[in-house]
Amino acid sequence: QKEVEQDPGPLSVPEGAIVSLNCTYSNSAFQYFMWYRQYSRKGPELLMYTYSSGNKEDGRFTAQVDKSSKYISLFIRDSQPSDSATYLCAMNLAGANSKLTFGKGITLSVRP
Amino acid sequence: DAGITQSPRHKVTETGTPVTLRCHQTENHRYMYWYRQDPGHGLRLIHYSYGVKDTDKGEVSDGYSVSRSKTEDFLLTLESATSSQTSVYFCAISESQGQGALDEQFFGPGTRLTVL
Repeated sequence: QKEVEQDPGPLSVPEGAIVSLNCTYSNSAFQYFMWYRQYSRKGPELLMYTYSSGNKEDGRFTAQVDKSSKYISLFIRDSQPSDSATYLCAMNLAGANSKLTFGKGITLSVRP
Repeated sequence: DAGITQSPRHKVTETGTPVTLRCHQTENHRYMYWYRQDPGHGLRLIHYSYGVKDTDKGEVSDGYSVSRSKTEDFLLTLESATSSQTSVYFCAISESQGQGALDEQFFGPGTRLTVL
């Protein structure tokens, strides 16, 4: 079992839909949970991160962490065509230069 | 955008030839990383550096070597390229923000390598 599993996709939704992206993990020592967004032929960029269980909101995006279930989610409200990208979950341990463990990524397409 | 450039951006080479990819940063960040990204595998760490001349292996280091002689440059070398090394290669940088803080990694634009 890989340390981080991500729903495989791809995912296609109509504009305005609510999108739910999910990852599970096996290492209970992970402390930082991140979502990276990667547009086609670009490098990944950090979208959101959380440090503890619970929800964190940033505009139309909500990151959710459930440490008891080892499960993280990214919700996108009122999805837009500009949200079309690959979304990668990532996580690491606390401490300097703790290496990231990535999920495989899911490609989202938002249809106008 | 963080000041990270990668060169070349695209390369086609033949099996058995040596290939060197370059990552250059202008942020003076201590840590630098090389990843490869393949369909079905996501991003996998090849090698990383935690300072000038200080490097270590990642998850998929076989067939790759690295060097870092200056803070701003991190080189990835494929000694004898194979078709299985056809991939998109990303460089990333980060700086330690201190205990308990997130060390965000910033990624370069990537190099698309094809080994025929």
